[in-house]
Amino acid sequence: RKEVEQDPGPFNVPEGATVAFNCTYSNSASQSFFWYRQDCRKEPKLLMSVYSSGNEDGRFTAQLNRASQYISLLIRDSKLSDSATYLCVVNGGGSYIPTFGRGTSLIVHP
Amino acid sequence: EAQVTQNPRYLITVTGKKLTVTCSQNMNHEYMSWYRQDPGLGLRQIYYSMNVEVTDKGDVPEGYKVSRKEKRNFPLILESPSPNQTSLYFCASSLTGGLQPQHFGDGTRLSIL
Repeated sequence: RKEVEQDPGPFNVPEGATVAFNCTYSNSASQSFFWYRQDCRKEPKLLMSVYSSGNEDGRFTAQLNRASQYISLLIRDSKLSDSATYLCVVNGGGSYIPTFGRGTSLIVHP
Repeated sequence: EAQVTQNPRYLITVTGKKLTVTCSQNMNHEYMSWYRQDPGLGLRQIYYSMNVEVTDKGDVPEGYKVSRKEKRNFPLILESPSPNQTSLYFCASSLTGGLQPQHFGDGTRLSIL
């Protein structure tokens, strides 16, 4: 089983839609969780950290479910500029090597 | 401006010709790492460094070397590049350890012929 798994998509949604991605992880001792955004052939950029109580940043909401070992990212009112690949990253659990998911592709169309 | 700077951005070279990709950060970060990204495989860590003179292997270290003589610099060395090392490479840094979010450089696209 892969350590961090994401549905590769693509998720193809119209502008204004709400879309959600999940990311499952296998190491129950994992401590830090992040969502990154990566545009085609560009560097990954931190979108938001994921906290145990859940957190929101504008149209983006991140949640952590430790019992089921997954994190989620919800995007409300999708914009064309949200089109990108979203990477989840899980750190800790006895390792200093952060584990990246392979990413979920989002395409927002007019 | 806080940044991670990689050079070169693009390089086409031939098998066996030693090359170095430089990485420098100006944020006084202790942790630095190198990744390669290939279609369908995602980001894979090559080497990482917890601090000066401390380096360790990531998931795919074969064919690569690194050094960390100064806190700000973390060069990636390919002693004898081969075509299977053609890839997009990213350097990243974070404040302390692997538990912090990372800042990535712009990437280096290497083609080994």
